[in-house]
Amino acid sequence: QQQVKQSPQSLIVQKGGISIINCAYENTAFDYFPWYQQFPGKGPALLIAIRPDVSEKKEGRFTISFNKSAKQFSLHIMDSQPGDSATYFCAANPGGYQKVTFGTGTKLQVIP
Amino acid sequence: KAGVTQTPRYLIKTRGQQVTLSCSPISGHRSVSWYQQTPGQGLQFLFEYFSETQRNKGNFPGRFSGRQFSNSRSEMNVSTLELGDSALYLCASSRQGEVEQYFGPGTRLTVT
Repeated sequence: QQQVKQSPQSLIVQKGGISIINCAYENTAFDYFPWYQQFPGKGPALLIAIRPDVSEKKEGRFTISFNKSAKQFSLHIMDSQPGDSATYFCAANPGGYQKVTFGTGTKLQVIP
Repeated sequence: KAGVTQTPRYLIKTRGQQVTLSCSPISGHRSVSWYQQTPGQGLQFLFEYFSETQRNKGNFPGRFSGRQFSNSRSEMNVSTLELGDSALYLCASSRQGEVEQYFGPGTRLTVT
């Protein structure tokens, strides 16, 4: 049973544009929602994360929006750059555990 | 500060054999988690170890096992390899009481 649904599967954005990736979860026990960035041949790297007690978190060009009632959260990449081209995974942890459930990933391509 | 290291980086095994993968966490990190990444199933949680004890387990058959040593280094073992075990195996570490996980580069296992 897939507990974190991620869309779109792939995304092409012009340089300087906004990249938006969406995720939805089912398990209300989740209380930590990280986003990971993965480049080919590398392990995922933690990008930004949010807890359900806040609706938005911003770090540089990256923003997470969180809607607890809808059980949805999204990643916005402002002023997207070619160096942002990577695969992005949303994820969710239940409280106190490291048993992370990942979304299926979004392959982002930022074209000049 | 050194990151998570995994050895070997690449491995080719034959169906029916067994394999052992190694992970050294970031210094000071006591929790080690293992994940399997495949194109078809994405990133799936295998198990987590803390203080030499398995604390969480994913939905994988008993052929997949692991252990953690007193220095927090961890190994995972897969016995009776199947073609479907071909994957990137990722290790992640975290500090006690913290949810942020830091991934290693992975071990690419190919089963022929």
